[in-house]
Amino acid sequence: GENVEQHPSTLSVQEGDSAVIKCTYSDSASNYFPWYKQELGKRPQLIIDIRSNVGEKKDQRIAVTLNKTAKHFSLHITETQPEDSAVYFCAARVTGGGNKLTFGTGTQLKVEL
Amino acid sequence: GAGVSQSPSNKVTEKGKDVELRCDPISGHTALYWYRQRLGQGLEFLIYFQGNSAPDKSGLPSDRFSAERTGESVSTLTIQRTQQEDSAVYLCASSLYGSAGEQYFGPGTRLTVT
Repeated sequence: GENVEQHPSTLSVQEGDSAVIKCTYSDSASNYFPWYKQELGKRPQLIIDIRSNVGEKKDQRIAVTLNKTAKHFSLHITETQPEDSAVYFCAARVTGGGNKLTFGTGTQLKVEL
Repeated sequence: GAGVSQSPSNKVTEKGKDVELRCDPISGHTALYWYRQRLGQGLEFLIYFQGNSAPDKSGLPSDRFSAERTGESVSTLTIQRTQQEDSAVYLCASSLYGSAGEQYFGPGTRLTVT
């Protein structure tokens, strides 16, 4: 089955700096890659997603890139703010696998003042 | 509109007891998922319901775990003879379409087995 690895497990940046979180996946049939943000004690919320027919997608300060050949995708947050502090999860969905998502183990992002 | 709701929000049970967790998906969402999140860990897929199709049970960790869904509405996740390693947050999610819709998560049920 699909396996998703996520790095780093923790990331600390200064306010205003950029943050990058990287994920790799194993199944070349994966076609959808969402990113979820989970604040402490709250439910995961989708912040951005990308499908396998595009290489990059941007939404304000957040961008995701996908390299299908290398089977990796990354989340980029620019001009980080304290409210960006949370755990971020990447996920992948395999074509024909219903809508089941396989999640990475998460990255604890801390934005320091 | 109302999002995904789950009940109870917290459940403490003794080892060996059965528990039942409930999920109310967003109205009209045909797909429903259960995930387990252990402390400090990622989300682990358990089971997936899509319309009237047979559920994908491939993530259930043992035969102590089962889930049902009535039509396209409420789902219950049952854990029989609970063990301490079952302690986790159980998250439910729903989506409008099985293969293309964003998954919306509920607040979760925090299960503690003592």
